[in-house]
Amino acid sequence: QVRLVQSGAEVKKPGASVKVSCKTSGYNFGDFYLHWVRQAPGQGLEWMGWINPNDGDTNYAQKFQGSVTLTRDTSISTAYMDLTSLRSDDTAIYYCARSPTYGSRWIDSWGQGTLVTVSS
Amino acid sequence: SYVLTQPPSVSVAPGKTARISCGGNDIGSKSVHWYQQKPGQAPIVVIYYDSDRPSGIPERFSGSNSGNTATLTVSKVEVGDEADYYCQVWDSPRADVIFGGGTKLTVL
Repeated sequence: QVRLVQSGAEVKKPGASVKVSCKTSGYNFGDFYLHWVRQAPGQGLEWMGWINPNDGDTNYAQKFQGSVTLTRDTSISTAYMDLTSLRSDDTAIYYCARSPTYGSRWIDSWGQGTLVTVSS
Repeated sequence: SYVLTQPPSVSVAPGKTARISCGGNDIGSKSVHWYQQKPGQAPIVVIYYDSDRPSGIPERFSGSNSGNTATLTVSKVEVGDEADYYCQVWDSPRADVIFGGGTKLTVL
C-alpha cells in the first residue's frame, strides 16, 4: 500500500523558513518523482516543483526558483520541501505527491497535506 | 508558460450529465489528467491520459481531449460528486506540471 505521510502543521513568522517532510512507503522510493503542490485558503492547486529521488535532480516552477529547495534522504525514503523568506501569502496547505518518472506525469498518490501558517 | 483555463463553476441537477471543460493551446496534443478534490481532503485522480479511469472510479466519469479543449464528463451525477475538479498537463519543454484553475461542481 502506497503511503505518503507528511509532517505536522507549522506556524511561522514572516521572514522565517519552513521545512516539510514527506515520508513514503509501500513502493521503491527511486521509481517515482515527488512533487510539491500548495493550496492557499479557498484557492486552487499550485505546482511548486519536483524531485527525482533516484538521482536528486530537481525542477522548480519559475515562481519558486530561489525560494524553494527540494531534497531527499534515500536511506529513509523521505523527501523534504524547504521554503525560505516566508510571507503571509505563503499560508497554505502543502502537499507532496507522486508521479511516474516518464510520459505525462500524472499524480497517482498524495500526502495528507501540511498546513503552514505565516503570521506575525 | 502553458495556461489551462477552466470555468469557475458548473451546476447540474442530480441524475443529469455535467461537462467540465479545460482549455489550452493545442491541448489535444497533450495528455490531460483530472483530479477531484472534496472539502478538507487531498485531491484524487479520476481520469488520466485523457480518458483512462483508475480502479475504484465509477464508469460515470469519462474524459475526452481534442483541439483546444479537454472535457471531463460526469454522467448520472450524484450529490457525492459535488467537489472541485482540476485538469493537469505536463509541459514537457519546461518539465513543468500545469494545473487548471479548478471548477466547482455544484449538484443542485
